[in-house]
Amino acid sequence: NAGVTQTPKFQVLKTGQSMTLQCAQDMNHNSMYWYRQDPGMGLRLIYYSASEGTTDKGEVPNGYNVSRLNKREFSLRLESAAPSQTSVYFCASSLRTMWEQFFGPGTRLTVL
Amino acid sequence: QKEVEQNSGPLSVPEGAIASLNCTYSDRGSQSFFWYRQYSGKSPELIMSIYSNGDKEDGRFTAQLNKASQYVSLLIRDSQPSDSATYLCAATSNTGNQFYFGTGTSLTVIP
Repeated sequence: NAGVTQTPKFQVLKTGQSMTLQCAQDMNHNSMYWYRQDPGMGLRLIYYSASEGTTDKGEVPNGYNVSRLNKREFSLRLESAAPSQTSVYFCASSLRTMWEQFFGPGTRLTVL
Repeated sequence: QKEVEQNSGPLSVPEGAIASLNCTYSDRGSQSFFWYRQYSGKSPELIMSIYSNGDKEDGRFTAQLNKASQYVSLLIRDSQPSDSATYLCAATSNTGNQFYFGTGTSLTVIP
């Protein structure tokens, strides 16, 4: 089992460009999450999906959209990237909402 | 005030000693608490979860929860150099619809 996978691993964007970060899990978990991690700020929840077909805002949702494509996949979209969105993005999943979460390897995003 | 606060460290302990990591939280209604370990450049890895007051032991790790004092701690016994990492404390919100991480404590175990 691969656990939680994320693509891409690295990405450089110019201000105003758009992109989608992909996440998939093979643990049959119901809930999935997107976080960003910044120095001095720690991990902050962007959006989560408690179950297939639902999404909810986390602590820092502005500038992002998400799609729970099916039970396995949860994508994060930046419609118009800004330098403030330079960060490391982690996807996570859990069997139950806000329970023990398992993280993917992360995507390092730089917006110039 | 952040929802979850940790001393950023760095904390240094000699090999074989007990490392003590502390965390406080502001939401008195928080019900679930977690400790994660994160090596540099890697993703967080779950160590332990704790939901009720008292101690919970798993191998060399012991998590302690005191809801009255809004305090969570992690003890690492017989610390090893491989334990050198950043340790993240996390808590759910009272409403159960938010998950908050502390900024982490950097631990170095000196051989």
